[in-house]
Amino acid sequence: EDKVVQSPLSLVVHEGDTVTLNCSYEVTNFRSLLWYKQEKKAPTFLFMLTSSGIEKKSGRLSSILDKKELFSILNITATQTGDSAVYLCAVAEIQGAQKLVFGQGTRLTINP
Amino acid sequence: GAGVSQSPSNKVTEKGKDVELRCDPISGHTALYWYRQSLGQGLEFLIYFQGNSAPDKSGLPSDRFSAERTGGSVSTLTIQRTQQEDSAVYLCASSLVTGFEAFFGQGTRLTVV
Repeated sequence: EDKVVQSPLSLVVHEGDTVTLNCSYEVTNFRSLLWYKQEKKAPTFLFMLTSSGIEKKSGRLSSILDKKELFSILNITATQTGDSAVYLCAVAEIQGAQKLVFGQGTRLTINP
Repeated sequence: GAGVSQSPSNKVTEKGKDVELRCDPISGHTALYWYRQSLGQGLEFLIYFQGNSAPDKSGLPSDRFSAERTGGSVSTLTIQRTQQEDSAVYLCASSLVTGFEAFFGQGTRLTVV
């Protein structure tokens, strides 16, 4: 069965710190990996990654995929209290079970 | 519509009653997903619709749960004879194509008392 594992499960840092969140996966026919931020109810989309080694960047957030080692990282630099959220990683397959499979999430808390 | 719309946003029901949760996906999106999230937990996959293909129901926790998608658009998740362990936030998402960015609705918070 497809598996997505995120680490750490919980992280507490001070404002201004840089954080790296990890997502490793095991899928048979990889299509894409997606990162989401969940603050209240609805997760909001951050990045979709399909190719190895190409960094996606949006402001202070960036992400990269390694399809050989089967993992992705999400970096947040100069963290702000508004970055406090649960960060979710999900993987989709090309064929077979095509549903998005989510990891358990990383709860990030930024203290002022 | 502009985004994925779910209704109701909150539902309190008595144990044993049936409930229906509605999801209106983004227009033109062929893929539709239902997930369940219990307090402090991750997203648990329930069911997935893709176009006219048979839905992937592998995540439905029991035969009390069912879902349909009419005309390739609106979807309804039905829970029969609700139990307290069904209490959770039910999230719906849609995407243009399988595996691409899925956009979530605001969810329905179901409380079974």
